[in-house]
Amino acid sequence: GESVGLHLPTLSVQEGDNSIINCAYSNSASDYFIWYKQESGKGPQFIIDIRSNMDKRQGQRVTVLLNKTVKHLSLQIAATQPGDSAVYFCAERRIIADSGGSNYKLTFGKGTLLTVNP
Amino acid sequence: SQTIHQWPATLVQPVGSPLSLECTVEGTSNPNLYWYRQAAGRGLQLLFYSVGIGQISSEVPQNLSASRPQDRQFILSSKKLLLSDSGFYLCAWNQGVSGVSYGYTFGSGTRLTVV
Repeated sequence: GESVGLHLPTLSVQEGDNSIINCAYSNSASDYFIWYKQESGKGPQFIIDIRSNMDKRQGQRVTVLLNKTVKHLSLQIAATQPGDSAVYFCAERRIIADSGGSNYKLTFGKGTLLTVNP
Repeated sequence: SQTIHQWPATLVQPVGSPLSLECTVEGTSNPNLYWYRQAAGRGLQLLFYSVGIGQISSEVPQNLSASRPQDRQFILSSKKLLLSDSGFYLCAWNQGVSGVSYGYTFGSGTRLTVV
């Protein structure tokens, strides 16, 4: 089963507002976390990542926060725009045991559908 | 720059027919390759991964198989499709620990409908 889950399956915000998408993970051995954005009918696109030795990372209009104490990850989108409407997935990375440390398994949550209202 | 190609984009196949989905990566060598399936309204399930030519690992028992005949080619197959094989299939690649890319880069996906 999936070890990364999301608190809310849908999120609706007004254009210009800030959005916060949350994610819980269960494996404390995961060393790296990624947020992906998936638009309808397309493959997921990388948004931002964070290593487990960090608690915050900022990109353009996006910020990822990592709280290892409670195994919680969040994605904040500033000044949300209609083009931000999509499904957002968090993913945790774990090294695959039999790969000699060179291959990873990404476990994805079910995703949060973000709808931005004009 | 690296690119990943996946085809076809959509496919409608009858139950019991064979399947072959192809994925190729350009601009890199010895990538790690992955096949994921996404059911409607669900997350991404890892089906197979490959760390080299001819090396395939399966994550879940199923009606599908994968092959890697060339370094940058990854094929997903089935001898006889089931209705439950319908879904959105995604190919992805990344480099290993020493590579500059830790995350996956996904292809554009194949929408498979088994009828």
